[in-house]
Amino acid sequence: GAVVSQHPSWVICKSGTSVKIECRSLDFQATTMFWYRQFPKQSLMLMATSNEGSKATYEQGVEKDKFLINHASLTLSTLTVTSAHPEDSSFYICSASGDHYNEQFFGPGTRLTVL
Amino acid sequence: AQSVTQLGSHVSVSEGALVLLRCNYSSSVPPYLFWYVQYPNQGLQLLLKYTTGATLVKGINGFEAEFKKSETSFHLTKPSAHMSDAAEYFCAVSDWGGTASKLTFGTGTRLQVTL
Repeated sequence: GAVVSQHPSWVICKSGTSVKIECRSLDFQATTMFWYRQFPKQSLMLMATSNEGSKATYEQGVEKDKFLINHASLTLSTLTVTSAHPEDSSFYICSASGDHYNEQFFGPGTRLTVL
Repeated sequence: AQSVTQLGSHVSVSEGALVLLRCNYSSSVPPYLFWYVQYPNQGLQLLLKYTTGATLVKGINGFEAEFKKSETSFHLTKPSAHMSDAAEYFCAVSDWGGTASKLTFGTGTRLQVTL
């Protein structure tokens, strides 16, 4: 089956710093990747959709300058949380899909804690 | 716009008992429906999905769901619960089945299985 990895699995950072989260499709080419945010005991909220080689499409209310998404290759997308604040603490999950699949494959998530 | 309602944020069943997790959706177009399972601190795993065709869909781990258009429902069932079924379950809807289709998630139902 298709495998998606995320790195790191958890990160703690100081307020004001930037954090980069990687999402990789390990055994398929991901033409589209999605980034979700999940607060404790809540559902997943789509943040943005990214297609390889083009700018990400952000959902309403998501600050594109704060959550920088890069999808530079068919196997890698990155989410950078810039100038992180405690309210950015959350569980970030990516998913990926490719031309030969009709579903999204989810990564294991990254837990971000901003002190 | 699409939406998903999961009735019951927490369901508790005895091991061996029937599992029934409820999901109702709202969609202006024929929906594609999904059930995902999430174990603690992990990403989501697809249990089953309905796209077109047979309305009773069988998934992994003995789960199945039935698409009922007249009731706008897609309830998840399993005849006999196992301890390993304890997890968070999310129902999701999209408006098409393509690889770049956005998923709208319900708020989730936590399943507890007791001895």
